[in-house]
Amino acid sequence: EAQVTQNPRYLITVTGKKLTVTCSQNMNHEYMSWYRQDPGLGLRQIYYSMNVEVTDKGDVPEGYKVSRKEKRNFPLILESPSPNQTSLYFCASSSGRGRTQYFGPGTRLTVL
Amino acid sequence: EDQVTQSPEALRLQEGESSSLNCSYTVSGLRGLFWYRQDPGKGPEFLFTLYSAGEEKEKERLKATLTKKESFLHITAPKPEDSATYLCAVLTQGGSEKLVFGKGTKLTVNP
Repeated sequence: EAQVTQNPRYLITVTGKKLTVTCSQNMNHEYMSWYRQDPGLGLRQIYYSMNVEVTDKGDVPEGYKVSRKEKRNFPLILESPSPNQTSLYFCASSSGRGRTQYFGPGTRLTVL
Repeated sequence: EDQVTQSPEALRLQEGESSSLNCSYTVSGLRGLFWYRQDPGKGPEFLFTLYSAGEEKEKERLKATLTKKESFLHITAPKPEDSATYLCAVLTQGGSEKLVFGKGTKLTVNP
């Protein structure tokens, strides 16, 4: 089944404790992206990657890092999480420019 | 600045009562408009992609249309299982492939 998977689905952590949210897709998609969703603000892009080893900032990149060492994986790293990073995170992928983006199931992160 | 506005914010319908959701956009250059359905706590589920004014797409009880300034999602004879938040997003000029999302319309269909 073609899908985007994320792990973990739920995470409660404390301020400053490094964490990684994994994202994997099995559709051989070139493009991958991370969004966060907050009440009243909608979905906003954090980082994106056009292909392996090619990443760039979205609208809200502060406090996040990403890497794209393999085509299928695009992990999101929070090196020193803070409470304002409490949010619902989605990974998305598409086959190329202008194509439909397919979203993962989401990771609900709470930073205390 | 690219902007997407969805209306209404919330809509309650009786089962079988048809209606339309609106998505208006102000963007520098539209490369595509996407409709997604989102259930609480879940990821957006793709519904339609529209690329040019005049285009229409249909799937079961849903039909999406596109003009130069807005898109409509028409729901014909809705059922309770159509209850969800419907998100509109646009893909604009620029290299980031960033989707600019509206805030969504929360649809509730009562039996």
